Amino acid sequence: DTEVTQTPKHLVMGMTNKKSLKCEQHMGHRAMYWYKQKAKKPPELMFVYSYEKLSINESVPSRFSPECPNSSLLNLHLHALQPEDSALYLCASSHGTSSGYTFGSGTRLTVV
Amino acid sequence: AQRVTQPEKLLSVFKGAPVELKCNYSYSGSPELFWYVQYSRQRLQLLLRHISRESIKGFTADLNKGETSFHLKKPFAQEEDSAMYYCALTRNNAGNMLTFGGGTRLMVKP
Repeated sequence: DTEVTQTPKHLVMGMTNKKSLKCEQHMGHRAMYWYKQKAKKPPELMFVYSYEKLSINESVPSRFSPECPNSSLLNLHLHALQPEDSALYLCASSHGTSSGYTFGSGTRLTVV
Repeated sequence: AQRVTQPEKLLSVFKGAPVELKCNYSYSGSPELFWYVQYSRQRLQLLLRHISRESIKGFTADLNKGETSFHLKKPFAQEEDSAMYYCALTRNNAGNMLTFGGGTRLMVKP
């Protein structure tokens, strides 16, 4: 298995909802990431997990809460989002810095 | 802080013409440079790593530390090369933090 799998592919949620995005990889990668990508913009780093521990939080608002239950799974819990949080949320994993990242296909989130 | 700059948002060439997508970076240490590609309706995928000095799909990229550049080149463009290309940098001591340039959309016309 050489893929990063993200679910759901699409999500529409209200500003008072609580939802979660899921990411899974079985390549034995020990680093996992969440990125946010707005239309026609490059991906922007949100969080980095290394060996299941949060190592980087790029000053992301607390309405986004990451979780790494084990080395294969990464979740992003969403609560009280704003319409401007609508974007494509990408998960990625890597073995190390030199090997590059493997990206999932993303979850397209719309906040209404 | 590190920065990656891709000066061209759009590059349009004819099939068979040479292609060069420019990438410049700023970082005082020893960065690791990558090119990622995103074809229409497909996921972002790794194209090249500077450390491997490989040629993928006819594309090459050479790290020029003097000019702080990592331009992507292909001698003869194909229509299937049309995609969004991102240059990216990671610091080798940064906890795996990948920073992307703004991207260049390559359009190869028949």
